[in-house]
Amino acid sequence: SYEVTQPPSVSVSPGQTARITCSADALPKQYAYWYQQKPGQAPVVVIYKDSERPSGIPERFSGSSSGTTVTLTISGVQAEDEADYYCQSADSSGTYQVFGGGTKLTVL
Amino acid sequence: EVQLVESGGGLVQPGGSLRLSCAASAFTFSRYEMNWVRQAPGKGLEWVSYISGSGGTMYYADSVKGRFTISRDNAKSSLYLQMNSLRAEDTAVYYCARAGYYDSSGYYYEGYDYWGQGTLVTVSS
Repeated sequence: SYEVTQPPSVSVSPGQTARITCSADALPKQYAYWYQQKPGQAPVVVIYKDSERPSGIPERFSGSSSGTTVTLTISGVQAEDEADYYCQSADSSGTYQVFGGGTKLTVL
Repeated sequence: EVQLVESGGGLVQPGGSLRLSCAASAFTFSRYEMNWVRQAPGKGLEWVSYISGSGGTMYYADSVKGRFTISRDNAKSSLYLQMNSLRAEDTAVYYCARAGYYDSSGYYYEGYDYWGQGTLVTVSS
């Protein structure tokens, strides 16, 4: 089965930059999407199509892509950014969607 | 305001069945692709199933293929998930999520932009 790989955890101090990576074989062909999920809440999309930011999402959230890896960057991390972050993409056929295992962002 | 409201979750014995519903409002439901996504307690998100706006195309994760059936009633702005032969590993919060749509200019997709609040399914004897 197709796999999307993320680090389980990332920790940063307030005001620093957090980078969360996501790797998958089909990423050069398929877009990646990033979701933020806080405890007890439904996920919220923070980046779509590798690097596009939905309206209402703060500018400190950005995304980039290079080969089989995409990166979610949060500049000037704030305490409110502490959450689980999930990368989502599709297999090479575009048929099956897969979420990464999630990355817990801890703001120290 | 766009809303998605799931219902139908509950406690069911292994091997049993359950039908989840997702009521949509404040958008043209028939235009949009829809998905079910689940999250086991303390675990990550897992995509479960997809259905096109017309209902003519469906996809399933391997873990539920042959047991779950996604459907929709565009006249009622409702999405469904029929779950049969349930297993303990199907225990999760099930979310419905809105995806993209087609119009005369092309395909618009910005990720799963709206999610319901989720409904808990517990499979246990």
